[in-house]
Amino acid sequence: GAGVSQSPSNKVTEKGKDVELRCDPISGHTALYWYRQSLGQGLEFLIYFQGNSAPDKSGLPSDRFSAERTGGSVSTLTIQRTQQEDSAVYLCASSFIQGTEAFFGQGTRLTVV
Amino acid sequence: GNSVTQMEGPVTLSEEAFLTINCTYTATGYPSLFWYVQYPGEGLQLLLKATKADDKGSNKGFEATYRKETTSFHLEKGSVQVSDSAVYFCALSWDSNSGYALNFGKGTSLLVTP
Repeated sequence: GAGVSQSPSNKVTEKGKDVELRCDPISGHTALYWYRQSLGQGLEFLIYFQGNSAPDKSGLPSDRFSAERTGGSVSTLTIQRTQQEDSAVYLCASSFIQGTEAFFGQGTRLTVV
Repeated sequence: GNSVTQMEGPVTLSEEAFLTINCTYTATGYPSLFWYVQYPGEGLQLLLKATKADDKGSNKGFEATYRKETTSFHLEKGSVQVSDSAVYFCALSWDSNSGYALNFGKGTSLLVTP
């Protein structure tokens, strides 16, 4: 596609439920990033994928968070047993290779009630 | 490690005022430097970039020069408009074989009043 696509754009879920957030990067981009942005806050790095290498998971805040990237393209971020503090905008970005500019999706606004 | 530090906001300016948002970086090697902008209710978008020392990135009247001697990449605009109200993020990226290598500053909120 023309840009990074994320779905859903908004998600409201009950505390304790699992959620899946999807990211469709720009075709041909080998690097894919997930970030979290809480209200009025900066970007919190979550996880990074580069090609077929093992992902860098150093930013994941707890073992309730996981992500996968299938076929080097689409990525899914899964949050298990959601908590209210998980409420935030989850941003996905991709770049052709690491070291070049990243292109961001519009984000998924997650609200845990 | 490689990181960026940018000035705290919020910054409030009157329309047509001169804007400077400071950004300094710490890095080994030769990173690329970026400014991203996030308009209200929208995602982040690249504003400008510079990939080597003394490069000047420019877009929409904004400029920033990659200065290795002062490890800075300050964002400037000669005359801001109300439509420039947004959050601005400085970032650096480097080539790494050992994981994540894209770091953002905390963001500076700019409000331009008529």
